[in-house]
Amino acid sequence: GQQLNQSPQSMFIQEGEDVSMNCTSSSIFNTWLWYKQDPGEGPVLLIALYKAGELTSNGRLTAQFGITRKDSFLNISASIPSDVGIYFCAGLYGNNRLAFGKGNQVVVIP
Amino acid sequence: EAGVAQSPRYKIIEKRQSVAFWCNPISGHATLYWYQQILGQGPKLLIQFQNNGVVDDSQLPKDRFSAERLKGVDSTLKIQPAKLEDSAVYLCASSLEEGPGGAQFFGPGTRLTVL
Repeated sequence: GQQLNQSPQSMFIQEGEDVSMNCTSSSIFNTWLWYKQDPGEGPVLLIALYKAGELTSNGRLTAQFGITRKDSFLNISASIPSDVGIYFCAGLYGNNRLAFGKGNQVVVIP
Repeated sequence: EAGVAQSPRYKIIEKRQSVAFWCNPISGHATLYWYQQILGQGPKLLIQFQNNGVVDDSQLPKDRFSAERLKGVDSTLKIQPAKLEDSAVYLCASSLEEGPGGAQFFGPGTRLTVL
């Protein structure tokens, strides 16, 4: 099956700091997606990337689709308390199927 | 636009009992997915429907799990009989048949605890 590796598993950051997280795979994906999941809720789509090398921003979030199509990163700038949550990368393959990483837990310290 | 609706939000049952979950996708979304999310893991696809047909159920434990989407809109997922290891959050997602890259939108999930 498709496996995505996310690192680090958890991060503790000071409010106002930037944070970056990475997602890698041995498989090639044509679309990368980043989701955020709050406790007791389903994942919410943050950013979708459709082309190798693409760099996309959504407010304080920036994500890039790696040139090799086997990796992606997500950056959050000037973190705020509501950025707390689990961030998942996902790769789209086959007939619109998603493979998810295990997630990065982000904790923002006020 | 209303999001993906799921019910119930929480369910506690004993092992060997049966349970059913319901999902109503975003209006107009032809593709519907059921995922299982075990604590500390990312969601894992169980079954994918396109309209009322099954596209992929290769990871569905068919000896105990079943799902249907009879009219191509809402869907039910059933577990019969449940095992302890079925304790997880069951997420439903939907996407437009010809949506951009197939971005999927998730419901809030049903948290199942099997005792």
